[in-house]
Amino acid sequence: GENVEQHPSTLSVQEGDSAVIKCTYSDSASNYFPWYKQELGKRPQLIIDIRSNVGEKKDQRIAVTLNKTAKHFSLHITETQPEDSAVYFCAASIWGGGNKLTFGTGTQLKVEL
Amino acid sequence: DTGVSQDPRHKITKRGQNVTFRCDPISEHNRLYWYRQTLGQGPEFLTYFQNEAQLEKSRLLSDRFSAERPKGSFSTLEIQRTEQGDSAMYLCASQTGNQPQHFGDGTRLSIL
Repeated sequence: GENVEQHPSTLSVQEGDSAVIKCTYSDSASNYFPWYKQELGKRPQLIIDIRSNVGEKKDQRIAVTLNKTAKHFSLHITETQPEDSAVYFCAASIWGGGNKLTFGTGTQLKVEL
Repeated sequence: DTGVSQDPRHKITKRGQNVTFRCDPISEHNRLYWYRQTLGQGPEFLTYFQNEAQLEKSRLLSDRFSAERPKGSFSTLEIQRTEQGDSAMYLCASQTGNQPQHFGDGTRLSIL
């Protein structure tokens, strides 16, 4: 089955700096890669997703890049703000094959003032 | 659209007891998923339904676990003879068409 690895497990940045979180996946059939943000005690919330037919997607301060050949994808957050502090999870799935998500182990992002 | 709703939010029970959780998906979402999340880990897939049909079950779903979605709307997840290792957050998500999965707030299960 699919295996998703995520790094780093914790990330501390100064407000205004950029943050990058990286994930690798094992199943070359995976073609859908969402990122979820989870604040303490709350539900995972989708912040951005990308399908394998594109290499990059951007939404304001958030961008995701995908390298299908290397089987890795990354989340980039620019101009970080204190409210960006949360746990971020990457995930992979085969869209059209049930769509079950295989998650990474999460990155605790702390944005310091 | 009120989002995915789960009940109860918290459940504390003694080891060996049975528990049942409920998930109400976003209306008209034909796919419903159950995940389990333990502290410091990402959610792990348990099972999913398309309408009322249960199409896939993870190896994590032992014989003590059963899920239903009788009319293709809400779903229940039952755990029989609970064990300490069942303590976790149980998350439900729903999805339709090309839309992403939307998660509920989860049910936190604590086994005494």
